[in-house]
Parts: sequence; structure tokens; C-alpha cells
Amino acid sequence: DAGVIQSPRHEVTEMGQEVTLRCKPISGHDYLFWYRQTMMRGLELLIYFNNNVPIDDSGMPEDRFSAKMPNASFSTLKIQPSEPRDSAVYFCASSLGTGQLSNTEAFFGQGTRLTVV
Amino acid sequence: DAKTTQPTSMDCAEGRAANLPCNHSTISGNEYVYWYRQIHSQGPQYIIHGLKNNETNEMASLIITEDRKSSTLILPHATLRDTAVYYCIVRVPGGYNKLIFGAGTRLAVHP
Repeated sequence: DAGVIQSPRHEVTEMGQEVTLRCKPISGHDYLFWYRQTMMRGLELLIYFNNNVPIDDSGMPEDRFSAKMPNASFSTLKIQPSEPRDSAVYFCASSLGTGQLSNTEAFFGQGTRLTVV
Repeated sequence: DAKTTQPTSMDCAEGRAANLPCNHSTISGNEYVYWYRQIHSQGPQYIIHGLKNNETNEMASLIITEDRKSSTLILPHATLRDTAVYYCIVRVPGGYNKLIFGAGTRLAVHP
């Protein structure tokens, strides 16, 4: 498996524009997580899904952020409208919910570096 | 999930063992100790986990004290590529349990 795949790797956009980040989890994984990383706040969990259903979105900063998972192999994180303070690296991760402990670890993508100017 | 305390940064000479401590004095009986690391510009990577026995894999060893209130991650022969931020996390196992990251320890391996 190619691992968790995120696109784009880098995104530069102007304030006010809509931004969509994409994630393809590892095939067979039933949990998907979105994280944001900044120097000030470190790695923050934004939202996670189980079997395509959002379970906990308490980390989503505000209504400008939304996430969807239309099927088991694809998820999006959308920011509309974007603001400079949204600049960060966004990571997607996936995992197996149950099974042998060694098989239930989270695997992370390479991240999307977002810059809002 | 229980909170953990780690030193902000550490240094290690290449080829030497790197010993990264973690305090987790409020760990619950069903919580495991997990270690992840994040190399610059990459996503976090799982290293190892354990409950109460010492564990070893191809990447590292994990030593957990008998009272389980602290642990040490050991990289037996650190290389420059081990320079990264190391995160100690305590949680109930299972992919359904979200990972909550603290600040971690920034390990610098130097020649």
C-alpha cells in the first residue's frame, strides 16, 4: 500500500478564498483523522471519522472549517473563507479500529502545507 | 488520556544510545505507553508501544518502570536520521482511540 496520500503537498492562497485539502486513507482502515500543526499550538486533532461518519469534530476551530468523507477511500477538509491564521501543516491519518494491537496504529500522510496570504 | 511530561530537548552523539524519558504518573491500568516521532517536514511515525513489560523492536526499546509512572525510549545507536521530535502518549489501545500529542522532545543527534 502507498500509505496515506494527501494532496496537494503545498497550497498558497489568498485570504478569503476557499481551500480544499484531500486525503486518501490506507485501504481497509476504518478510522480517519485530520490534524493541524503550527509552531504555536503543535499538533491538534481537528476531527475524526469512523466508517465515513464524523465521530468527534470538537477540534474544528470554527464554522469556516468543514470536513467530509463521502466514501471509505476519500476525505476532504475545506476552509471557506480562508484567513492568514489558518496557515499551518494539515495532516491526515488513518487506522484500523480493532484488531491486533500492532495493526491498530495510526499512519500519517506527508501533510499539506497551507499558506494563506 | 493521561498527560505526559517530557523534556523539551535533548542532544545525543551519533552512534551513542539516546535515552528519552517520559513521566506519566496518572496513567490508568488499561492505558498503554506509545511513542511516535516526527522527522522534519514529515508526518508522525509510530515507533513502539507497551503496557508494563519492556518492549523492543527494530527501531527502539521501551523500558517502563514497575509502577508504570514513567518510561524511557531507547535508540541504541542513534544516527543523524534519528533527529526528530519524539512524542510519548498514553492511551487505551485501538485505532478508534484518538491520538493526542503533547509538545514532545526535540532530539538532536550530532556527529
